[in-house]
Formats: sequence, structure tokens, C-alpha cells
Amino acid sequence: EVHLLESGGGLVQPGRSLRLSCAASGFTFSSYTMSWVRQAPGKGLEWVSGISGGASNTYYTDSVKGRFTISRDNSKNTLYLQMNSLRAEDTAVYYCAKAPRGQLVPFDYWGQGTLVTVSS
Amino acid sequence: EIVMTQSPATLSVSPGERATLSCRASQSVSSDLAWYQQKPGQAPRLLIYGASTRATGIPARISGSGSGTEFTLTISSLQSEDFAVYYCQQYNNWPPWTFGQGTKVQIK
Repeated sequence: EVHLLESGGGLVQPGRSLRLSCAASGFTFSSYTMSWVRQAPGKGLEWVSGISGGASNTYYTDSVKGRFTISRDNSKNTLYLQMNSLRAEDTAVYYCAKAPRGQLVPFDYWGQGTLVTVSS
Repeated sequence: EIVMTQSPATLSVSPGERATLSCRASQSVSSDLAWYQQKPGQAPRLLIYGASTRATGIPARISGSGSGTEFTLTISSLQSEDFAVYYCQQYNNWPPWTFGQGTKVQIK
């Protein structure tokens, strides 16, 4: 059974950094593209970043380019999102999501999310 | 960036009735369209991909149709577990892979 478990969220001041992790199990992690999707409180879904199975390709939405870095450690079956220069508008629940084999989207499995709150 | 617009924002339906949700793309996305369901406090769940293919375990009362810029999600006979927020997502033109703003299906 596919299982995705995010961690690393919390309260952080504007301008500071935070690293999210997503531990994966139940599938061959290195074979699948993974993404981060966020949801601001009471709002809709926003795709943030994606990374191919072998980590050779990464993708970002414009609002996080230069501030966020997606990475993965296939030996640990773990996905990461390094978030620097955080802003209030980055406040959201961050989900990690898996794509089907050989595809970048859609997202067939999601974790339960981790809340990031950016506030002074 | 392709903008996805869903309508209506809120749909009030009685159990057992049919629900029809719409999603419009600002330019053609071919059939590269997915639908997700999200219940309060839960992660989204994939319902439909390729505009009309049901994901694993999705009941036949849920169906998707459309191509190009106009898409529809139909729930033929609403069950209690279907009351939720539904999002469409395009994945034809990327990045970013954009979502609609959501349609809330509530009990009438």
C-alpha cells in the first residue's frame, strides 16, 4: 500500500527557512515523479514543485523559483522541499504527491500534509 | 499559464440527485484534465484523469467528459460520501500544472 508521510512543518518567521520531508513507502520510490502541492487556509490547491524519479529534472511554479529547492534521496525513499526566504503568502498545508509511473501528473496518491505558518 | 475556472462555486443537491460540475480552461488542454475530491481535513483524492478515465476504486456513478476547453464531472446519484469540494487540474501546458478554484457540493 502506498503511504506518504510529510513532516517538518511549523511556525517560522518571515525571511527564515524550513525544510519539509516526505517519507514514502509501498512503491519503488525512485521510479516515480513526485511533487509538492500546497493549500493556503480556506483556499484551493496550488502545485509548487516537482522532481523526476532520478532527480535529473526539477520544476517550480514562478512564485517559489529561487527560494524553494526540491530534492530527493532515493536511498532513503524521501522527498524534500527546502524553503528559504519564507513569506506570509507561503503559509499553507503542504502535501507531497505521487504521479503514476512514467508520468509527471496527475497525482494518484497524496500524503496528509504538513502545515507551514509564516508569521512574526 | 492556463487558468482553470470552475462553476458553480457551490452546488446544493439532495441525496440521490444528479450533480453536474463544470470546468473551463483558458486555452485548449486537449484531454489532459484531472478531477480530485477533497473532504474537510483530508488530502485530495484522484477521481478522474484523461478527462474521462476513472481512477482505481472510483465508483461508476462518477464520470468525466469533455475535451479542449470545456469539461464536466457528473455524479449520477449523490451519496452521503460525495459531499465534498471538487477540483479540476490541467496538465497539458506546464509548468505550472494549474487547478481550478473548486466547487463545493453540499447537501440541499
